[in-house]
Amino acid sequence: DTEVTQTPKHLVMGMTNKKSLKCEQHMGHRAMYWYKQKAKKPPELMFVYSYEKLSINESVPSRFSPECPNSSLLNLHLHALQPEDSALYLCASSQLWEEYFYNEQFFGPGTRLTVL
Amino acid sequence: DAKTTQPPSMDCAEGRAANLPCNHSTISGNEYVYWYRQIHSQGPQYIIHGLKNNETNEMASLIITEDRKSSTLILPHATLRDTAVYYCIGGSGGYQKVTFGTGTKLQVIP
Repeated sequence: DTEVTQTPKHLVMGMTNKKSLKCEQHMGHRAMYWYKQKAKKPPELMFVYSYEKLSINESVPSRFSPECPNSSLLNLHLHALQPEDSALYLCASSQLWEEYFYNEQFFGPGTRLTVL
Repeated sequence: DAKTTQPPSMDCAEGRAANLPCNHSTISGNEYVYWYRQIHSQGPQYIIHGLKNNETNEMASLIITEDRKSSTLILPHATLRDTAVYYCIGGSGGYQKVTFGTGTKLQVIP
């Protein structure tokens, strides 16, 4: 199984809502990632988890809260978002890196988020 | 800041080779160059990676200059299904950092 699944595919939420994005992989990968992608722009790294511990936070606002409950699951909790947070949110996984060597990442299809 | 630049768009005739360049002048000595592509806002798909030597797999070839400041992805016989945005990753600026390049939108023309 070389698939990364993400749910939901689409999400519309108000600025006062709380919602969560879910990502799952069963490839035994111990590194998992969240990216944000705006239209016609490259993906931007948000968070990296290594062995279920947060290892990279790219200065992401606290209204985005990641969680890695086990080695197969990655969540992104959303609260009090702004309309400019509307984007495609991508999850990825990979084997754990050696220094400066990041293994091939497997990406999910993404969640299209719209904040009203 | 690490910066990886690519031309914004390229056209290629179907059946011809597509050569996609990438500049990664801030790449570190032991940092790999990776290429991905993204079709219709799906998740990016891995294509190939390399360190110093040229690499080839079933999808593409990767040519890295001797100074490692640039590379070229070659799709030897482009098909319509190769129409996508191609991203290079190199010079991400540190351990576990992942910085996508600016991306090239490749249009394969019948």
